[in-house]
Parts: sequence; structure tokens; C-alpha cells
Amino acid sequence: NSKVIQTPRYLVKGQGQKAKMRCIPEKGHPVVFWYQQNKNNEFKFLINFQNQEVLQQIDMTEKRFSAECPSNSPCSLEIQSSEAGDSALYLCASSLRGTVSNERLFFGHGTKLSVL
Amino acid sequence: GDQVEQSPSALSLHEGTGSALRCNFTTTMRAVQWFRKNSRGSLINLFYLASGTKENGRLKSAFDSKERYSTLHIRDAQLEDSGTYFCANSNNRIFFGDGTQLVVKP
Repeated sequence: NSKVIQTPRYLVKGQGQKAKMRCIPEKGHPVVFWYQQNKNNEFKFLINFQNQEVLQQIDMTEKRFSAECPSNSPCSLEIQSSEAGDSALYLCASSLRGTVSNERLFFGHGTKLSVL
Repeated sequence: GDQVEQSPSALSLHEGTGSALRCNFTTTMRAVQWFRKNSRGSLINLFYLASGTKENGRLKSAFDSKERYSTLHIRDAQLEDSGTYFCANSNNRIFFGDGTQLVVKP
């Protein structure tokens, strides 16, 4: 079983609703990444944190998503107003470092979001 | 991850040489996918295999679902091949390997 815990496994929302998913990184990993799987089965980088601070995020995430990694609580990724195109598998991963391109990542199993 | 064992964890190659990355699976997998993390942090699809082998340029991948392993071969390594490579299964739940950090040196 993965040491990175993502919940819920499945999430179903209507358009316009908020959709929130959570991630508990591997113990001792200060860096958390969020990814969105696209139609090509690739995983687009959305945002990453080091402890509670955002390291990098893409434009879409900045505008439509809110994400945080509070101390002593799970990290979360929330879509403020879900759209049909947001339906995807969202992956969380953690690592020891977030800025070195060669860093190994430890992945959760994902939250599958369906926006109806 | 426990279901996917990826090796080696780190690999150093000189330009022009080659090597293989490997993923062993603890259960039967329907398919395997190989990714590379790009400079933006996204995971770019290299290969998706349900069986057999596929080749793309200097990369070649093989998947043996019965023997529960997959390999990614890199030949004539170039400096720009440096990065982190991941394998993942494609079953109902996705399981990733922990990655191989490849460094290609001049």
C-alpha cells in the first residue's frame, strides 16, 4: 500500500460545486506535488508545496483552485467551481525536495473526480 | 510503492552509453506506463504497453505481464536524457514506482 494517502478515492460533483481532495504525504517528506491526469494519460503538474509554502503552480491552479498544506493536517486541493473538463484522476506525490528535477517521488493512488 | 519495485533508484551514464531501468510488479498488471518528469514537473508519457515491446528513438520498452516486469532501455544516452523516470501500472488503481534518477555525464 502507498505511504502517501489520498482521500477520497472517488469524488462526484455537479458543475459549479466545490470539489475538495486530500493528501497525507509520506512521513518526513516536506514537499507535496499535485498532478492532474490528462486525456493522453500524462500527468500535468498543478502545484507543489514545501511545508506550508507554495513553491510553484500553473496558471490554471492559481485561478480556479485553492490548495494548502497546513502543519499537522492533510494537504488539500480544492476546485472552487467544478467544470466538466475537471473530470480526471488527481494524483498527490511527496518527496524530500521539490526543486531538483531529478528528485524521486512517492505517489498516492489518486482521487478520481467526476463532474456531472 | 509496494506493488511496483523500480530499479535502480539512481543511475549515472556517460554520453553515448546505454542501460536499462526495470520495474517488477508484485501482482499481475494489465499494462505498464513509463513516464519522465520534465522541467515543469509534469510527467510526460514515454510508453504505454499492454504487452510486447515498443521503441521510440533511443528508447525501447518491454513488458512481460506473465513474468511481472517491464524494462526501459536507453541507448546512446545524451545529456538531455538526464531526469527522473517512473513506471506505473494501469489497473483499476494506479501504482507508481518510486523513480529512477538518471544523470548523463559528458
